[in-house]
Amino acid sequence: DAKTTQPPSMDCAEGRAANLPCNHSTISGNEYVYWYRQIHSQGPQYIIHGLKNNETNEMASLIITEDRKSSTLILPHATLRDTAVYYCIVRVVKGAGGTSYGKLTFGQGTILTVHP
Amino acid sequence: DGGITQSPKYLFRKEGQNVTLSCEQNLNHDAMYWYRQDPGQGLRLIYYSQIVNDFQKGDIAEGYSVSREKKESFPLTVTSAQKNPTAFYLCASRFGTIQYFGAGTRLSVL
Repeated sequence: DAKTTQPPSMDCAEGRAANLPCNHSTISGNEYVYWYRQIHSQGPQYIIHGLKNNETNEMASLIITEDRKSSTLILPHATLRDTAVYYCIVRVVKGAGGTSYGKLTFGQGTILTVHP
Repeated sequence: DGGITQSPKYLFRKEGQNVTLSCEQNLNHDAMYWYRQDPGQGLRLIYYSQIVNDFQKGDIAEGYSVSREKKESFPLTVTSAQKNPTAFYLCASRFGTIQYFGAGTRLSVL
């Protein structure tokens, strides 16, 4: 799986958009970009994933550059409860039918602190 | 509520003792995973199971054992052979390509 690089920490004001960058310059054509977050002393939570098109769900938006070498997770209106470590993971989806049996490799992630 | 339940939330192990961490899911997922997280570190895979009665070693299986006798349950035993068991243990199940995690068990050594 491709290596990712994220800033170690970021701050954001409550109610503003939080834009979390991730570099994955060695990404392969069959690798997806996944985002998870982990609030202190809790299990990681899935946020969103995508291959090459921009994606949006009820939690966030994922913007992937055209060359797929970087992406940005956008939390449109950050709240204090969004304070967490955010992990960008790039991995291959293997197996028949697109299922994956592999592990998730979490790097150091970005500590996002949302301020009142 | 559907989800993954890990118990206990906190566990203490005495020297030479085996302890078992529980993981139960009612999501009807086939695949389940156990990860270990040390302070300030990412997750490391201990064991995983793709289907009932089958499981595979992950990257750090030594000193751990698992069983998968039921689809809903994937208990992890930390044996006395694991010399540094103090960590945060996370269980996950998978649907499609997405893994869903429990709240974790924090294991400490007395």
